[in-house]
Amino acid sequence: NAGVTQTPKFQVLKTGQSMTLQCAQDMNHEYMSWYRQDPGMGLRLIHYSVGAGITDQGEVPNGYNVSRSTTEDFPLRLLSAAPSQTSVYFCASSYASGAYEQYFGPGTRLTVT
Amino acid sequence: EDKVVQSPLSLVVHEGDTVTLNCSYEVTNFRSLLWYKQEKKAPTFLFMLTSSGIEKKSGRLSSILDKKELFSILNITATQTGDSAVYLCAVVDSNYQLIWGAGTKLIIKP
Repeated sequence: NAGVTQTPKFQVLKTGQSMTLQCAQDMNHEYMSWYRQDPGMGLRLIHYSVGAGITDQGEVPNGYNVSRSTTEDFPLRLLSAAPSQTSVYFCASSYASGAYEQYFGPGTRLTVT
Repeated sequence: EDKVVQSPLSLVVHEGDTVTLNCSYEVTNFRSLLWYKQEKKAPTFLFMLTSSGIEKKSGRLSSILDKKELFSILNITATQTGDSAVYLCAVVDSNYQLIWGAGTKLIIKP
């Protein structure tokens, strides 16, 4: 039981490049979400999904896309990277919603130059 | 606008001390409050609180919620160096989404 896995652990992008952060969970959780964490600002919700085929925007969705074709996978796509997207990104999953204990992946540290 | 404010932002104490971390909130249609511990990497779950006045306890850690005054505290007694971490508070809103505080960075000196 691997829990929540994320790849890559580290990534450096140039402004304008696109990439996908991968997230997978093996706990059969319906709810998955993406957060970014910046110094002094806590965690901010980017996008979330309440089940396969259903996604919705969080607090800071601009510049990011998501899809949820299976229960297990929830990739986050950066469309055209900007320096403001330099951050640590966490994927999380839980049984049904944010109201339940969230299980977090190890994070991806992204730097955009 | 909904918000969660944690205090202090950082705290340095000596091993064996007792610490109290604070989390106040202004959230429409509050559902529950959660505490997480974040060491080097991902946050890990500590407590979920939904009712006022009922203490949740796990070893040396305990937490209580006051829904009238809109705050929660996290107590750690007999602190150890392994308690050094950022402690995060989050409140579940009416849409079942989490609103996070900025965290309290706790440093325990041996």
